[in-house]
Amino acid sequence: QQQVKQSPQSLIVQKGGISIINCAYENTAFDYFPWYQQFPGKGPALLIAIRPDVSEKKEGRFTISFNKSAKQFSLHIMDSQPGDSATYFCAASIGGSQGNLIFGKGTKLSVKP
Amino acid sequence: DVKVTQSSRYLVKRTGEKVFLECVQDMDHENMFWYRQDPGLGLRLIYFSYDVKMKEKGDIPEGYSVSREKKERFSLILESASTNQTSMYLCASWGQSFYGYTFGSGTRLTVV
Repeated sequence: QQQVKQSPQSLIVQKGGISIINCAYENTAFDYFPWYQQFPGKGPALLIAIRPDVSEKKEGRFTISFNKSAKQFSLHIMDSQPGDSATYFCAASIGGSQGNLIFGKGTKLSVKP
Repeated sequence: DVKVTQSSRYLVKRTGEKVFLECVQDMDHENMFWYRQDPGLGLRLIYFSYDVKMKEKGDIPEGYSVSREKKERFSLILESASTNQTSMYLCASWGQSFYGYTFGSGTRLTVV
């Protein structure tokens, strides 16, 4: 019940396309849902995060969509660029941003020029 | 910017050696974490610490121990390295904010 299931494991998108990564959870006590972006040779870095009182949060080309009833949330990358090629992790925690994060297994995104 | 510094980017150790991985953060964060990252398995929590001299087991603590003698430093210890501990090790810290974890760049450990 503590798991966060992430899909797909890998994703190839053409430049300018939309990348969509999905995550699902079971524990309804989760109340903080961040996404992390990791480039090769680097540690993951916080990209965008959402709390369950909103259904969508947008920052530039990155949008989190949150469906509380379905216990799912997704990351959409609009106008995907080769520089977006990275591994993306979704995560969830209890206790807001002060709780220990449970990470999904990651999605390796490749954006082809 | 918060910095989390891991002392080594690459390490090669022999089976049975005692291995120390060091992590230092410069933002006075209370919480520090050690993860290992393996392809297809994502980030798995080894140990974490909420304060100096405090430690909690994560999901895969077997074969590891930790030390936190100072607030800024969190060390991961492999008591007797084995080949199945070959992995990327990531340290992270966070404080009381919405800005999430800050990760170091990782240490790629190879045990031969």
